[in-house]
Amino acid sequence: GDSVTQMEGPVTLSEEAFLTINCTYTATGYPSLFWYVQYPGEGLQLLLKATKADDKGSNKGFEATYRKETTSFHLEKGSVQVSDSAVYFCALRDAGNMLTFGGGTRLMVKP
Amino acid sequence: NAGVTQTPKFQVLKTGQSMTLQCAQDMNHNSMYWYRQDPGMGLRLIYYSASEGTTDKGEVPNGYNVSRLNKREFSLRLESAAPSQTSVYFCASSEARRKGETQYFGPGTRLLVL
Repeated sequence: GDSVTQMEGPVTLSEEAFLTINCTYTATGYPSLFWYVQYPGEGLQLLLKATKADDKGSNKGFEATYRKETTSFHLEKGSVQVSDSAVYFCALRDAGNMLTFGGGTRLMVKP
Repeated sequence: NAGVTQTPKFQVLKTGQSMTLQCAQDMNHNSMYWYRQDPGMGLRLIYYSASEGTTDKGEVPNGYNVSRLNKREFSLRLESAAPSQTSVYFCASSEARRKGETQYFGPGTRLLVL
C-alpha cells in the first residue's frame, strides 16, 4: 500500500537558519503531494501542494518540489522564524483518493 | 465562516462508556472525514463520507460508527470506549474526493479513555 516516510524530529534550529525536512513516498500511479502544518493546539492547515511531477508548491517562504525520479517531496525554507515552530506532515493522495500521512516532524526554532 | 468545527474539545471517558464526537462544516463541502492522530503515526483515516447519504470505512474503522446527518454534519460514535481509543480526533472536509483536492481540518477533540 501507499506510505509516506518523514525524517524523525524534533528538528531544532536557530532563527534565520535554513530548513530541510525530508519526505519520501511509495505509491502506485501518480499521487498528489501535500505538506500540512499543525501549530500547537490547532488542527492541520494546508501549507502547500503539488499535483504532478516537477511541480513546485510554495507558500509563506516554504517550498517543495515533486520529484518523481526520487519519489521525494522535501520541504525547504531559506530562513526560519520562531513562529514556524510547529509539526509538519507530509501526505499523499492517490488515485483512490485516500490521504496518507507521514508521522510528522516537529520543528523548534530558537531565537 | 467558521470552517470546520468540532465538539467537544476535550473528553475523559471510562472504559465501556459511549460518546459521540460532533463535526460540522459551513463550506458547502460534499466530502467529510474522521481521522485519529497518535504519536509518531501521523493521521489515520477512520471513516469518510464522499457525499451526503454515504459513508465508507477507512484504515482503522473498528470500534467506531459514523453518521452523515446532513451535508454539514458528520458525527463519530464510540459505542464502548477502550483505552486504545485514547487519541486526538480530527474531522476534515473537502469539496470532493478528487486527487488534488485540499482537505480542511477542524481543531481536534482530545479523548482520554481510562
